[in-house]
Amino acid sequence: SQQGEEDPQALSIQEGENATMNCSYKTSINNLQWYRQNSGRGLVHLILIRSNEREKHSGRLRVTLDTSKKSSSLLITASRAADTASYFCATPFGNEKLTFGTGTRLTIIP
Amino acid sequence: NAGVTQTPKFQVLKTGQSMTLQCAQDMNHEYMSWYRQDPGMGLRLIHYSVGAGITDQGEVPNGYNVSRSTTEDFPLRLLSAAPSQTSVYFCASSAHREGDSPLHFGNGTRLTVT
Repeated sequence: SQQGEEDPQALSIQEGENATMNCSYKTSINNLQWYRQNSGRGLVHLILIRSNEREKHSGRLRVTLDTSKKSSSLLITASRAADTASYFCATPFGNEKLTFGTGTRLTIIP
Repeated sequence: NAGVTQTPKFQVLKTGQSMTLQCAQDMNHEYMSWYRQDPGMGLRLIHYSVGAGITDQGEVPNGYNVSRSTTEDFPLRLLSAAPSQTSVYFCASSAHREGDSPLHFGNGTRLTVT
């Protein structure tokens, strides 16, 4: 099944720095989503970017999508301890399913 | 506003036992799905439903049954538990077809099969 793959698998940065994580996928898509998962909790939706959009912002989050390279990036600016979590990209598979990558584990060091 | 509610939060089963994981949503969402999450494997889709009375298989359906008699509820049944089913199970719902709409997740059921 189609699946996005996040890179890096793990990332540690100092509080206040920016964090960038990437997602690559295999086939054409009409949208891509990013989710956050705090330890022991369910996933929380962050942003959905459509294939005709190159960039989207939400607060301190910026997502880009490059359909020619089949890749997306999630940038978190001015990181905070509360941003410590795992981040997943998700891509549609068929009309009714969403497939997830294995995630990037982000640790913010106070 | 409860969102997606999963019960129980934790469960320990012996091999061969059966059980039902409950999932309910109060957002009137048509689409519901079950995922399992294992270390290093990401989330894998077990079963999904596009509306009451309609279910279909995902990526890893073997050993699990589902039904959707109401819009609100989407229980997942383990027929004869196996150690390979030790995992964290998440239920999710979305307002529109799943590939085109944000998913709302429950907080998961952590299942251990001994």
